[in-house]
Amino acid sequence: EAQVTQNPRYLITVTGKKLTVTCSQNMNHEYMSWYRQDPGLGLRQIYYSMNVEVTDKGDVPEGYKVSRKEKRNFPLILESPSPNQTSLYFCASSLGGGNQPQHFGDGTRLSIL
Amino acid sequence: AQSVTQLGSHVSVSEGALVLLRCNYSSSVPPYLFWYVQYPNQGLQLLLKYTTGATLVKGINGFEAEFKKSETSFHLTKPSAHMSDAAEYFCAASWTSGSRLTFGEGTQLTVNP
Repeated sequence: EAQVTQNPRYLITVTGKKLTVTCSQNMNHEYMSWYRQDPGLGLRQIYYSMNVEVTDKGDVPEGYKVSRKEKRNFPLILESPSPNQTSLYFCASSLGGGNQPQHFGDGTRLSIL
Repeated sequence: AQSVTQLGSHVSVSEGALVLLRCNYSSSVPPYLFWYVQYPNQGLQLLLKYTTGATLVKGINGFEAEFKKSETSFHLTKPSAHMSDAAEYFCAASWTSGSRLTFGEGTQLTVNP
């Protein structure tokens, strides 16, 4: 089954404790992205990647890091999480950019205390 | 800056009534346009997309959207609402060939029996 898999689905942690949210897709997609969803703000793009070793900032990259060492994986790293990063996070992948629709994972709910 | 606006954060309709969810984009250059639906505790699923060509786009579950360049709009409609349509709906736009996707704030649709 074609899917984007995120782990963990839920995480409660404390300020400053480094964490990684993993994302993996099995569709051989070139493009991958991370979003955060906050009430009243919709989804905002954090980082995106158009190929292995090619990443770029989205609209809200501060406080986040990403890497794309393999085509299928695109982890999101919070090196020193803060409470304002409490949010619902989605990973997505697509065959290409522009008019290609994105396929979303089921989300990761992060709570930073 | 290019943006997407959804009028009405909450829309409530009766079962069997017309569903109309509004989306406008702010650019003289038409983007690629998408509507996604999010059911509780799930990721986003593509409903339909507009790229070029026919301005009336049909999607899944009986939804359709009409692209109106003169009004910079891409409103989503369904002739007869079902209880199963209750969800959050997001309009999104892409102005580039890359992976940049801009979302609206979302509209929560409630369907009353």
